Amino acid sequence: GAVVSQHPSRVICKSGTSVKIECRSLDFQATTMFWYRQFPKQSLMLMATSNEGSKATYEQGVEKDKFLINHASLTLSTLTVTSAHPEDSSFYICSAHPGQGRTDTQYFGPGTRLTVL
Amino acid sequence: QKEVEQDPGPLSVPEGAIVSLNCTYSNSAFQYFMWYRQYSRKGPELLMYTYSSGNKEDGRFTAQVDKSSKYISLFIRDSQPSDSATYLCAIPFQGGKLIFGQGTELSVKP
Repeated sequence: GAVVSQHPSRVICKSGTSVKIECRSLDFQATTMFWYRQFPKQSLMLMATSNEGSKATYEQGVEKDKFLINHASLTLSTLTVTSAHPEDSSFYICSAHPGQGRTDTQYFGPGTRLTVL
Repeated sequence: QKEVEQDPGPLSVPEGAIVSLNCTYSNSAFQYFMWYRQYSRKGPELLMYTYSSGNKEDGRFTAQVDKSSKYISLFIRDSQPSDSATYLCAIPFQGGKLIFGQGTELSVKP
């Protein structure tokens, strides 16, 4: 089956630093990747959609200058949380779409837990 | 009104019970419906995918869609402690995006 990995699985950083999270599709090429954020006991909220080779599309209320997304290849997308603050602490999950078949088929990564002190 | 609403629970049942999880949605144009299972501190995994009204069965899991009522359900028969997780309904819309329900936290007690 399709496998998506995320790295790191957990990160703790000081306020003001930047953190990069990687999302990789291991056995398929992903033309589209999605980034979600999930706060405790809450559902997944879509942050942005990234298509390989083009700029990401951000959802309303998500600061594009704070959450930098790069989708440089068909197997890798990165999310950089710039100048992180404690309120950015959350569970960040990516998903990848193979580019073939149903447009709504997404394979989710295991998530990255970010804690900003 | 949210586009997808789901009772967050938590829901606690004894092992072997039948579990019923439900979502309602507001847009009658939605055609596809999904159920995901998410274990603690993990990413969601797709459980069931349905298109039309009616029932779809996969092992101990049955997904039901009632488009006239805009109501979707997931039933788990003979529930097991390993079924303890958060269950999220999800509806795809434009551009492959998914709208998730809030998720229902299920605990199956041995």
